[in-house]
Amino acid sequence: DGGITQSPKYLFRKEGQNVTLSCEQNLNHDAMYWYRQDPGQGLRLIYYSQIVNDFQKGDIAEGYSVSREKKESFPLTVTSAQKNPTAFYLCASSESRGGDQPQHFGDGTRLSIL
Amino acid sequence: GENVEQHPSTLSVQEGDSAVIKCTYSDSASNYFPWYKQELGKGPQLIIDIRSNVGEKKDQRIAVTLNKTAKHFSLHITETQPEDSAVYFCAASTYFDMRFGAGTRLTVKP
Repeated sequence: DGGITQSPKYLFRKEGQNVTLSCEQNLNHDAMYWYRQDPGQGLRLIYYSQIVNDFQKGDIAEGYSVSREKKESFPLTVTSAQKNPTAFYLCASSESRGGDQPQHFGDGTRLSIL
Repeated sequence: GENVEQHPSTLSVQEGDSAVIKCTYSDSASNYFPWYKQELGKGPQLIIDIRSNVGEKKDQRIAVTLNKTAKHFSLHITETQPEDSAVYFCAASTYFDMRFGAGTRLTVKP
């Protein structure tokens, strides 16, 4: 089955620690995205990537970093600079960025502070 | 940039009744409008979408309508069932950007 796999499902971060969230897709999509979801709010874009070795900041990129070394993978690192990291993180992909492209989502990673 | 407002934030209906969720958008360049259903602990799943050259689209019990002039679009669910209970998100997309509404928590009471 084609889809997006996010791991781990739950993650805990200690003070001053960086943590990395994994996102893998086997849909052969060029574009990938990371969103943050907080209770009662819509999805807010952290970073997106249109193609391998390219990525752009979204609306709330501060305190986060990404890489896109492979088409299938788009890991997100939550750095110690992100002072309020507790949230539900969603990874998505689309065939390409732009136009009428539906985004397909993984099942998310819930990050909490210890 | 694009701003998407979604109403209501919560909606409770009796099984068998209809449910309507409404969204407005601000950017007239938006040309694609998907709707997502998110169940607890899961990621959003695309349930229906509509493009700006279409006014209405239907798929079994769900339908979406689009009014480009007024910049609003709506999701209609008929004959609701308990398994329709979830959070529903609308989105509006230009060529460069997709923006999401804040979500509607739908509860269908048996």
